[in-house]
Amino acid sequence: SQQGEEDPQALSIQEGENATMNCSYKTSINNLQWYRQNSGRGLVHLILIRSNEREKHSGRLRVTLDTSKKSSSLLITASRAADTASYFCATVRLTSYGKLTFGQGTILTVHP
Amino acid sequence: DTEVTQTPKHLVMGMTNKKSLKCEQHMGHRAMYWYKQKAKKPPELMFVYSYEKLSINESVPSRFSPECPNSSLLNLHLHALQPEDSALYLCASSQEGGFYFGPGTRLLVL
Repeated sequence: SQQGEEDPQALSIQEGENATMNCSYKTSINNLQWYRQNSGRGLVHLILIRSNEREKHSGRLRVTLDTSKKSSSLLITASRAADTASYFCATVRLTSYGKLTFGQGTILTVHP
Repeated sequence: DTEVTQTPKHLVMGMTNKKSLKCEQHMGHRAMYWYKQKAKKPPELMFVYSYEKLSINESVPSRFSPECPNSSLLNLHLHALQPEDSALYLCASSQEGGFYFGPGTRLLVL
């Protein structure tokens, strides 16, 4: 079974706008990770946030984690057409270390 | 070298065929994984190898048989597959929480 649910399922924006994707999960986690996948190919690791962290930045990406609400968000600022992809959150649970479980994903389309 | 490679990229096989998927990494990672991904769905874990030993099998049918010959290689042997096994098969390795995925093998079972 999948650990997380993502919201929205699909997001369509114009180039230059910001994109926000949300992820909720059910059990206590060791860390939460975000991945990008283009056209059903391999997954690209974007960012990892540990359970004792609240926010991390990487370039145009900002990830927040609220363990009390069991939720995370991914913000992509100043989006580009090349950001068009599927985005997945994935969690490593405290009780199953090493097992990465994915959410349902958000399909992001950035129009030029 | 921070790359996980997978061969072949595409595979078409009949239900009576035997084939193998291969995965390789040279990052010194001691954990390796097989995931299956159907279209428009998230990846689902199949197997986890830790230090070349099978540590997790997510109740995968026996027509899928994993093998870890050494710390750099991970194989997935396929036999008597069904059309519903058609999917993208992803290999990954990890160390200290970070996961690296290969580009996947797109499998079609006829």
